[in-house]
Amino acid sequence: DGGITQSPKYLFRKEGQNVTLSCEQNLNHDAMYWYRQDPGQGLRLIYYSQIVNDFQKGDIAEGYSVSREKKESFPLTVTSAQKNPTAFYLCASRDLGGERETQYFGPGTRLLVL
Amino acid sequence: AQSVTQLDSQVPVFEEAPVELRCNYSSSVSVYLFWYVQYPNQGLQLLLKYLSGSTLVKGINGFEAEFNKSQTSFHLRKPSVHISDTAEYFCAVTEPRGKLIFGQGTELSVKP
Repeated sequence: DGGITQSPKYLFRKEGQNVTLSCEQNLNHDAMYWYRQDPGQGLRLIYYSQIVNDFQKGDIAEGYSVSREKKESFPLTVTSAQKNPTAFYLCASRDLGGERETQYFGPGTRLLVL
Repeated sequence: AQSVTQLDSQVPVFEEAPVELRCNYSSSVSVYLFWYVQYPNQGLQLLLKYLSGSTLVKGINGFEAEFNKSQTSFHLRKPSVHISDTAEYFCAVTEPRGKLIFGQGTELSVKP
């Protein structure tokens, strides 16, 4: 089955700790995205990557970092500089092929602060 | 800049009644439009999309939407809802190859 996997489903962070959220896709899409979802605020773009070894900041990149060393993988690190990390994090990949234009989402990771 | 406004944050409706979830967008160029559904603690699932062609778009689970360029709207409709349609619905807009911009979401609550 083709799709996007995110792990873990739940993640707990202690104060001052960096944590990494995993996102893997086997859809052969070039573009991948990370969003943060808070109640009543819709989805906000953190980082995106349109090709391997290249990525751009989204609207709320402060306190986050990413890498894109492989086409299939786009991990997100929530650093200790992110003071309010509790949220639902969604990874997506995108088919940019004309009539196939669609963004597909993973199941999400919920990050909680201890 | 593009923006999306979902006009209702919550829509309560009785089972088997019709429903319309409203979405307006602003953009100065051609756009692609999408509706996604999110069930609790899950990712977003594509319901339907408009890229070009017929302005009436049919999607999964009996939903449809109509693209109205003059009113810059893309309202989602279903003639008869089920309890299982209870979820949050997101409208989104993008320019071709651009970033996807989401509305704030509409919570649809279907009551027996």
